[in-house]
Amino acid sequence: QKEVEQDPGPLSVPEGAIVSLNCTYSNSAFQYFMWYRQYSRKGPELLMYTYSSGNKEDGRFTAQVDKSSKYISLFIRDSQPSDSATYLCAMSGVGANNLFFGTGTRLTVIP
Amino acid sequence: DSGVTQTPKHLITATGQRVTLRCSPRSGDLSVYWYQQSLDQGLQFLIQYYNGEERAKGNILERFSAQQFPDLHSELNLSSLELGDSALYFCASSVAASGSSYEQYFGPGTRLTVT
Repeated sequence: QKEVEQDPGPLSVPEGAIVSLNCTYSNSAFQYFMWYRQYSRKGPELLMYTYSSGNKEDGRFTAQVDKSSKYISLFIRDSQPSDSATYLCAMSGVGANNLFFGTGTRLTVIP
Repeated sequence: DSGVTQTPKHLITATGQRVTLRCSPRSGDLSVYWYQQSLDQGLQFLIQYYNGEERAKGNILERFSAQQFPDLHSELNLSSLELGDSALYFCASSVAASGSSYEQYFGPGTRLTVT
């Protein structure tokens, strides 16, 4: 079993829709939870990070962490064609040196 | 633009050969991380260097090695290349050795094709 599981999609939504992206994990030591966006043929770009449980909002993006269920989510409101990319969740433990990534979900927002 | 640079962008080579990938971290960042991204495995952590010293090892093959130089740039050496080594190789950097290693900034990657 992989430490981080993510549905690879692909996911297609119409412009303006609310998008929900999710990851589950098995390692209870994970405390930092990140979402990266990766455009085709580019490097991953850090979107948001959250420490421990709770919600964090940044513009149209909201990250949620439920440590009791070992489940994290990223919501995108009013999705735009420019949001079309692969979204990667990543996790890390306190004092850890590396990130554990999900395989990524490919999102397409249709104009 | 993350501020992390990687060269070359593309590399095509034959099985059995050796290649070197280069990375320059963001200004002020002391940690460099190397990752391999393949279609079936996703992003896999290979190795981390902090201020010239190896800090952590992940799923790095013995045929692969890395180092970080005094000017903080890093090189990843891949030898005895096999077809399965074809992948995107990313470098990332962060300020700290650990603790805040979650805030990593990725370069544009080097696409390696082994024929």
